[in-house]
Amino acid sequence: QVQLIESGGGVVQPGRSLRLSCAASGFGFSYYDMHWVRQAPGKGLEWVAIISFDGNNKYYGDSVRGRFTISRDNSKNTLFLQMNSLRAEDTALYYCARAGDAYIDYWGQGTLVTVSS
Amino acid sequence: QSALTQPASVSGSPGQSITISCTGTSSDVGGYNYVSWYQQHPGKAPKLMIYDVTNRPSGVSNRFSGSKSGNTASLTISGLQAEDEAHYYCSSYATRTTMVFGGGTKLTVL
Repeated sequence: QVQLIESGGGVVQPGRSLRLSCAASGFGFSYYDMHWVRQAPGKGLEWVAIISFDGNNKYYGDSVRGRFTISRDNSKNTLFLQMNSLRAEDTALYYCARAGDAYIDYWGQGTLVTVSS
Repeated sequence: QSALTQPASVSGSPGQSITISCTGTSSDVGGYNYVSWYQQHPGKAPKLMIYDVTNRPSGVSNRFSGSKSGNTASLTISGLQAEDEAHYYCSSYATRTTMVFGGGTKLTVL
């Protein structure tokens, strides 16, 4: 069965960096585009970024463009999100998710990032 | 990058039908047949309920249906059950940003 397990979250000071990982299993990871989606505490879903199956194409939401970088290692079935210049408003549960064309068909359970001094 | 517009809350009694709207623009909802809907119970990850406006993934009850007219998409849940109480989010492919979500709707089953 499809499994997506995020890790790397934690408490970080404003302006610092953090790298999230997502270990994928149960499907052909290298054939699928992948997303990061976040959810601030008590708030709705916000799309963060998408990377194509081969890593050649990447797109970002307006609020993270220029600060976050999505990447992947298909040899290790792992998705990454490098987050730089973190702000308080980046505090959220970050979900790794599999793309099914123009929708998301599987979600991980999320990893919590808290940006606070 | 504006979120799609959903009502903050809707409610209905068991057995009734409810509809949740999702309004966007010609650059997202109105421009593509790529609207999807997600159900999220408290403390859980979202679950795909509808994709490509009207399609249901395997395992999703046929009480859930989707439609679209112009820049507004809708999710209808018929024969409401207590287990349907959750937050519902719409999403659409968007020209500039690839994907955009609605603000979410809390469904209460009375």
